[in-house]
Amino acid sequence: QSVLTQPPSVSGAPGQRVTISCTGSTFNIGAGYDVHWYQQFPGTAPKLLIYGNNNRPSGVPDRFSGSTSGTSASLAITGLQAEDEADYYCQSYDSGSNVFGTGTKVTVL
Amino acid sequence: EVHLLESGGGLVQPGGSLRLSCAASGFTSSLYAMSWVRQAPGKGLEWVSAINIAHNTFYPESVKGRFTTSRDNSENTVSLQMNSLRAEDTAVYYCTREGSSDRGWYFDLWGRGTPVTVSS
Repeated sequence: QSVLTQPPSVSGAPGQRVTISCTGSTFNIGAGYDVHWYQQFPGTAPKLLIYGNNNRPSGVPDRFSGSTSGTSASLAITGLQAEDEADYYCQSYDSGSNVFGTGTKVTVL
Repeated sequence: EVHLLESGGGLVQPGGSLRLSCAASGFTSSLYAMSWVRQAPGKGLEWVSAINIAHNTFYPESVKGRFTTSRDNSENTVSLQMNSLRAEDTAVYYCTREGSSDRGWYFDLWGRGTPVTVSS
C-alpha cells in the first residue's frame, strides 16, 4: 500500500488545464522531502517529468509544472494535448525509502 | 547518448534465485547512485534497491534480506541478486540512475526493463 495517494484518473479536453494531486503525510511531503513526477506510456519505461517539486528536465515542455503545499503536491498540465494521455506517478521519500504514488491515468477527451 | 540496458530476467520457480544486470553506456555509472524499480503487471511503481557511490546499499522492507545490489565500476554495471523469490516479486524490473535534489532523490534515467516471472 503506497503512502502517496493519487486519483486513479483525470480527464480533460484538448487545450484545458488538468491537475493531479499527490497526497502524503507529515512523514514524507509534509516533512519537507521533495516531490518528483514521472510520465509513463503503455509498454514503455517511465520518464522523469518534474524533479525537486517544480523543475523540468531539458526537453520537457513548460506546459508541465509542479507545486507542493503542506502534505500534498500537484502536477498541472496546461494546454492539454492528445500526446499527454499517459500514466503519471509522483515520488518522494519516507522513512528510509523512496516511495511512489498510486498513479493517475490522464485521458484526453 | 546515455543508456541503461537490463538483462537476466525470466521465469523462475517460487523460492528460486535470479540475477539481473544493468549495463550503463554514455556515462560513467560509478559517479552516480543507481537504483532498481519494479512494476508488477497492471500495477504501480515500487522502489526495490539503491547503491550509492560509496557502495552503501538500501532496500525497502519488502525485499530486505532477500535482494542484494552490487556494482562493478570497472565494467560500468550494476546487478541485483534476488533470492527466495515469491509470486509477488513478479514484475518488470527497471534499472535507474539517481539524481539528487535539495531534499530527496529521483530517477532521471531508466532502462527498458527486464521481466521477471515467479511461478511454478
